[in-house]
Amino acid sequence: SQELEQSPQSLIVQEGKNLTINCTSSKTLYGLYWYKQKYGEGLIFLMMLQKGGEEKSHEKITAKLDEKKQQSSLHITASQPSHAGIYLCGADRDYKLSFGAGTTVTVRA
Amino acid sequence: ETGVTQSPTHLIKTRGQQVTLRCSSQSGHNTVSWYQQALGQGPQFIFQYYREEENGRGNFPPRFSGLQFPNYSSELNVNALELDDSALYLCASSLSGTNTEAFFGQGTRLTVV
Repeated sequence: SQELEQSPQSLIVQEGKNLTINCTSSKTLYGLYWYKQKYGEGLIFLMMLQKGGEEKSHEKITAKLDEKKQQSSLHITASQPSHAGIYLCGADRDYKLSFGAGTTVTVRA
Repeated sequence: ETGVTQSPTHLIKTRGQQVTLRCSSQSGHNTVSWYQQALGQGPQFIFQYYREEENGRGNFPPRFSGLQFPNYSSELNVNALELDDSALYLCASSLSGTNTEAFFGQGTRLTVV
């Protein structure tokens, strides 16, 4: 099994609706990164969370880190077509990032 | 867009051949990490270079090797290509042997036939 489990694996959301993606780690989280990827392209950095309870927002995207639960969530408010893509969480493991398998988001007009 | 650039963007090679992929790091970054991403999976760490030395390595065979140059750009070399090496190869540049400000390039799509 993977160190980071993302849920759901994929989701379809109506434009204007909210969505939440979860990332759960089997190990203690010291730093958690969220990236977005268009199919077959590079990763776009969204946010980095380092402290338990930390919450960051950028435009309509908010990410939280629950250190005790070893979990992070990514919430998108009022989704738009530009939010479609694959969202990946990555745990900071010293010199490397360990990634989840990703969550594919489809936004329907 | 990040300042991390990779070349080439696409590549087709025959099984058994050798390939070299290149990565230019973001200005001010002295660390480059390489990842392999198979279809439908998250990126898997190959290795990291910091100050021209390998700083950590993932679970990849020795035929995956790398270099980092004084300007902090980097190369990933893969010998004796196998069909399973077909993947998107991503490089990320960051600061001082960590993942701080880890920004990724657009990737190189390698197809082995």
